[in-house]
Amino acid sequence: GAGVSQSPSNKVTEKGKDVELRCDPISGHTALYWYRQRLGQGLEFLIYFQGNSAPDKSGLPSDRFSAERTGESVSTLTIQRTQQEDSAVYLCASSLYFGRLGGGNTEAFFGQGTRLTVV
Amino acid sequence: DAKTTQPPSMDCAEGRAANLPCNHSTISGNEYVYWYRQIHSQGPQYIIHGLKNNETNEMASLIITEDRKSSTLILPHATLRDTAVYYCIVRDPTGGSYIPTFGRGTSLIVHP
Repeated sequence: GAGVSQSPSNKVTEKGKDVELRCDPISGHTALYWYRQRLGQGLEFLIYFQGNSAPDKSGLPSDRFSAERTGESVSTLTIQRTQQEDSAVYLCASSLYFGRLGGGNTEAFFGQGTRLTVV
Repeated sequence: DAKTTQPPSMDCAEGRAANLPCNHSTISGNEYVYWYRQIHSQGPQYIIHGLKNNETNEMASLIITEDRKSSTLILPHATLRDTAVYYCIVRDPTGGSYIPTFGRGTSLIVHP
């Protein structure tokens, strides 16, 4: 598609269950970002992928959170043993790799997010 | 932590210019100023970015002060659909601040 696609758009899960969120980046975008946004709050960085480099996991809040990405394709964010405080909108963004263009032509394009509700 | 400071909220009359300020006094030489907005229940949308010079596109204009310590996003003729949270971020795509870091932004309300 033309934009970043995330699925599911909404997910309700029971406390303690595992969930998997999916992100399809824009074709050709090698950089991929995951963010979390709690109700009424700003965006909280979670993890960053760039090509085949080791991901930047510095934003992951606990070891219950993990993410994978194969090459420049789909990414999945997994939350194990979900807690009520995990309820939020999870946003994915992709961008061109800065090294290809240099400069500032590297704006991030966001998906519509997955709204996760843990009950 | 975000390196920018924005007023938490602003309002503007429809059809008038909306001028959204942003302070980034610790911006480094290689960092660009980016603006995004987030309309309710949607993902953030890129608006514009700049390094030193003023920039204009079909959505907005960006005015950056000569010392680069502050900038203003201008929506020349605000419409009701421009009601959103506007985020100003600084980012060096080639260096340590390559990850877009968002603060609380400015909630802009455009009223009839």
